[in-house]
Amino acid sequence: GAGVSQTPSNKVTEKGKYVELRCDPISGHTALYWYRQSLGQGPEFLIYFQGTGAADDSGLPNDRFFAVRPEGSVSTLKIQRTERGDSAVYLCASSLASRPPYNEQFFGPGTRLTVL
Amino acid sequence: GDSVTQMEGPVTLSEEAFLTINCTYTATGYPSLFWYVQYPGEGLQLLLKATKADDKGSNKGFEATYRKETTSFHLEKGSVQVSDSAVYFCALSLNTDKLIFGTGTRLQVFP
Repeated sequence: GAGVSQTPSNKVTEKGKYVELRCDPISGHTALYWYRQSLGQGPEFLIYFQGTGAADDSGLPNDRFFAVRPEGSVSTLKIQRTERGDSAVYLCASSLASRPPYNEQFFGPGTRLTVL
Repeated sequence: GDSVTQMEGPVTLSEEAFLTINCTYTATGYPSLFWYVQYPGEGLQLLLKATKADDKGSNKGFEATYRKETTSFHLEKGSVQVSDSAVYFCALSLNTDKLIFGTGTRLQVFP
């Protein structure tokens, strides 16, 4: 079956603009995660959804970042007033459930965001 | 806070050499431990995992043992191949389920 997909694969924007990044999880996966990976670093957690609700948004760096998952499937990460420091690869992952043994996270290919 | 520390790379080896990539962790509870791999041009993939002390995770010839006494989860492979060239990430997860990653170690294997 299809894996986690993310669109767009690349996004170039100008400082101050608004961007939306989309994640399609594996069908039937109830848990969805967003991470951010800066160059030469490991992924850093942003937010985690269980169903439609954000169960943990402690990783969002500030109020310019927001994410939704209105129907418990597709999720959109929204970044307002982008800054050059937001440039990174944004990764999405999904898992069947949030507790072992069903919590293996499957990652998408990422969206590379470049803010000029 | 909870964190993962792994050895800096790149690690450069000849084919069929023995591989060790060190990983240690700090955690307030009893985490599950993971190794993820990122091949060139591909997304992160789970390589192996261990959920409790003394468990050994293994896959594709790679192994790692959860050592609670040394808070370590070192990755090993007896004989690496060129196709193993990738970036390897050690990670932990507590009850919150989010993954906390190390900075990654690049492995380069030459024929």
